[in-house]
Amino acid sequence: DADVTQTPRNRITKTGKRIMLECSQTKGHDRMYWYRQDPGLGLRLIYYSFDVKDINKGEISDGYSVSRQAQAKFSLSLESAIPNQTALYFCATSDLHRPGGQETQYFGPGTRLLVL
Amino acid sequence: QQQVKQSPQSLIVQKGGISIINCAYENTAFDYFPWYQQFPGKGPALLIAIRPDVSEKKEGRFTISFNKSAKQFSLHIMDSQPGDSATYFCAALFGNEKLTFGTGTRLTIIP
Repeated sequence: DADVTQTPRNRITKTGKRIMLECSQTKGHDRMYWYRQDPGLGLRLIYYSFDVKDINKGEISDGYSVSRQAQAKFSLSLESAIPNQTALYFCATSDLHRPGGQETQYFGPGTRLLVL
Repeated sequence: QQQVKQSPQSLIVQKGGISIINCAYENTAFDYFPWYQQFPGKGPALLIAIRPDVSEKKEGRFTISFNKSAKQFSLHIMDSQPGDSATYFCAALFGNEKLTFGTGTRLTIIP
């Protein structure tokens, strides 16, 4: 979805390096998410943010940190990359329509990260 | 803690057949159940969704069946085509929380 962009699309780094993955959205959504997907596995939530001042840990936040710089920008950092962080990373945004409504998450194209 | 259980993990179906993917949940507060479709190299995208006040929703060849008493819902793909080959995720939502995703099913349609 062109409304959600991720940079870089591919990244090779070395063990111990700090790297940042960036996500931008033009959908005007308050909610943003970072997921990790390993080959043959599902989506695992790393961090999520319901608005600019709200940051929450997901199920696998260890070794990661995030920054919500603005409504449209949500960055994921690997403080000291390790090989088992090699994965496909997705950013997503969502709108939540309540009461009795629904939430649709819109995913970016993904960043393929290789840690050597 | 996994709140939405999805099965099978992988599924192979012949072209023209019916593909069925199942999900089960524990939290009776869930009130919105979407399915997402992910093609290789792409991010997941919303495919179809259902609310618990109906037992079935159909969009083209895709149907969600919902069994509230059993706390189960399933995706049926009729007349499955090679272009349907993808990974499918069920999900559930309640209140102002975030979507909870199942573990995914890799579907392969063979000629």
